[in-house]
Amino acid sequence: ETGVTQTPRHLVMGMTNKKSLKCEQHLGHNAMYWYKQSAKKPLELMFVYSLEERVENNSVPSRFSPECPNSSHLFLHLHTLQPEDSALYLCASSQETHGTSGSNEQFFGPGTRLTVL
Amino acid sequence: GEDVEQSLFLSVREGDSSVINCTYTDSSSTYLYWYKQEPGAGLQLLTYIFSNMDMKQDQRLTALLNKKDKHLSLRIADTQTGDSAIYFCAESSTSGTYKYIFGTGTRLKVLA
Repeated sequence: ETGVTQTPRHLVMGMTNKKSLKCEQHLGHNAMYWYKQSAKKPLELMFVYSLEERVENNSVPSRFSPECPNSSHLFLHLHTLQPEDSALYLCASSQETHGTSGSNEQFFGPGTRLTVL
Repeated sequence: GEDVEQSLFLSVREGDSSVINCTYTDSSSTYLYWYKQEPGAGLQLLTYIFSNMDMKQDQRLTALLNKKDKHLSLRIADTQTGDSAIYFCAESSTSGTYKYIFGTGTRLKVLA
């Protein structure tokens, strides 16, 4: 596997379910990100991790709970979601959170299409 | 706050050149990026341009930056049907380079 992978690719869940999204990066990066992409809205940065430490939480509801057990893996635990949480959830990684040299571009996974019934 | 704007739609004929435009407001932007998103897929980085550059070319893609007007464009030469996708412009500043500000995306439709 190369690049950034995400599983599952599609997920349908009820409002009372608990599920988890998984992201894995094979790029040797130190920073990982969760984004939410909803129709007709700009990408929303949800969480940022640097070397397994959370460095940003953009006022995301507590029904979304991230976990970063190591610099290659990132999870997003979901519980008691609402229908408006239906969206494409994208994971990304970059070499660092603050690029001291170079462009520090972010590489994205294919996303998980989440539907909350 | 910072903002990045793009037009929503662009249609071109196969073989023509496409120009996708983006304007941004953050004068401290250091890097500007172009991403491509095909249906059902994530964002694919196409190119980036540093703020002290005017132009960056990579095969059929040319990124042009007018820093004075805070205007970025992506030119696709000899546009193909496989170029049909949504194109996102993003910028980051020196204050926190992971904080990308994305535009809403331009949907490019290539007509055969």
